[in-house]
Amino acid sequence: EPVLTQSPGTLSLSPGERATLSCRASQSVPGNFLAWYQQTPGEAPRLLIYAASVRATGTPDRFSGSGSGTDFTLTISSLEPEDFAVYYCQQYGYSSFTFGPGTKVDIK
Amino acid sequence: QFRLQESGPGLVTPSETLTLTCTISGGPIGDNYWNWIRQPPGKGLEWLGFVYRGATIYSPSLQSRVTISVDASKNQFYLHLTSVTAADTAVYYCARESAFTSWGQGILVTVSS
Repeated sequence: EPVLTQSPGTLSLSPGERATLSCRASQSVPGNFLAWYQQTPGEAPRLLIYAASVRATGTPDRFSGSGSGTDFTLTISSLEPEDFAVYYCQQYGYSSFTFGPGTKVDIK
Repeated sequence: QFRLQESGPGLVTPSETLTLTCTISGGPIGDNYWNWIRQPPGKGLEWLGFVYRGATIYSPSLQSRVTISVDASKNQFYLHLTSVTAADTAVYYCARESAFTSWGQGILVTVSS
């Protein structure tokens, strides 16, 4: 199964700014079966995006996912205070699933 | 709307077997992927394995120590992790589907004597 790498490790931004998070796979992800999750302290992760670009139910439209093959991006168009969190990508295109190490978005 | 709830011991002795239960409400186990995921304190997420229609797939790094099983009559599925060490200390989550649409709240399991 592919190894997922996320960059940057930490992204320091201000509310209202645009955030661009990268997830790169060591092998092409079949079907673009790539998901993004948000986790705030003390909480379980929450699914934001699946199939690389489909918003999960309840995901605000300021979140968008793009990419295919080995390179994927999560974009937050304008950061709200509740968006400062850790974001993980996950591939489910192979029978064995894997997560990336996460990107922390913190307040500048 | 599925809801998941983990249960089990909060403390396990090294070398013993950790057993956790995930109880599902809001729908039958049916044709879904049922996963276990863990998160060591201050670290990232690690997928452990899933059960789907009775078949199981495990993380290669833990395959020799992990077993996931289902009791559909109880709407529960289970994690068994053998020969635990301090490195297995983590919050353990159960989750539904291959893109994890529903999660339990998590249970902290500490491995210590």
